[in-house]
Amino acid sequence: EAGVTQFPSHSVIEKGQTVTLRCDPISGHDNLYWYRRVMGKEIKFLLHFVKESKQDESGMPNNRFLAERTGGTYSTLKVQPAELEDSGVYFCASSGTRHTDTQYFGPGTRLTVL
Amino acid sequence: DQQVKQNSPSLSVQEGRISILNCDYTNSMFDYFLWYKKYPAEGPTFLISISSIKDKNEDGRFTVFLNKSAKHLSLHIVPSQPGDSAVYFCAASDNDYKLSFGAGTTVTVRA
Repeated sequence: EAGVTQFPSHSVIEKGQTVTLRCDPISGHDNLYWYRRVMGKEIKFLLHFVKESKQDESGMPNNRFLAERTGGTYSTLKVQPAELEDSGVYFCASSGTRHTDTQYFGPGTRLTVL
Repeated sequence: DQQVKQNSPSLSVQEGRISILNCDYTNSMFDYFLWYKKYPAEGPTFLISISSIKDKNEDGRFTVFLNKSAKHLSLHIVPSQPGDSAVYFCAASDNDYKLSFGAGTTVTVRA
């Protein structure tokens, strides 16, 4: 069975440009999460979907970030316009229905904003 | 407002010896704790977890200990193997699904 996949693996953009990251969760997982790790620091929670609904978006840094999960399958995270401090590794994870179900992480997208 | 802290950024241990990784937390509402392992250019991989109703959980070479009164948990790896060289993240949740992570400890196992 395929794990969580993310695209692209790397993205280098100029400040002010737009970037869209994509995450495909494990098939059948209703819960989907976005996290970010900046500059080797801790991995920080961004938001949580249950199917197509945003359950918790308390970690989203500001309104330049927009996440969607149309149809409750794959999810996209758009950054518009990108700023230098948005650089980091963006991880997507998915899990089953209980809060103690293991969250399986994708390989991440490394975003560099110049 | 980092609620999970790993104060040792790195750990070097000889192959065959014990690795002990430490983690402290501040949020008394956390009731579930996990350790993830991460290799370069890969995502974190679940290693082991423990519920707040327990003080120890063991899985093969990996044991996690939880001291709720001290708000402290640790991961023991015995014996350490070269393939254990990775970054280890401590994480916690309080029944609302999102995980709070520490900054990670880089473990290097020397041959």
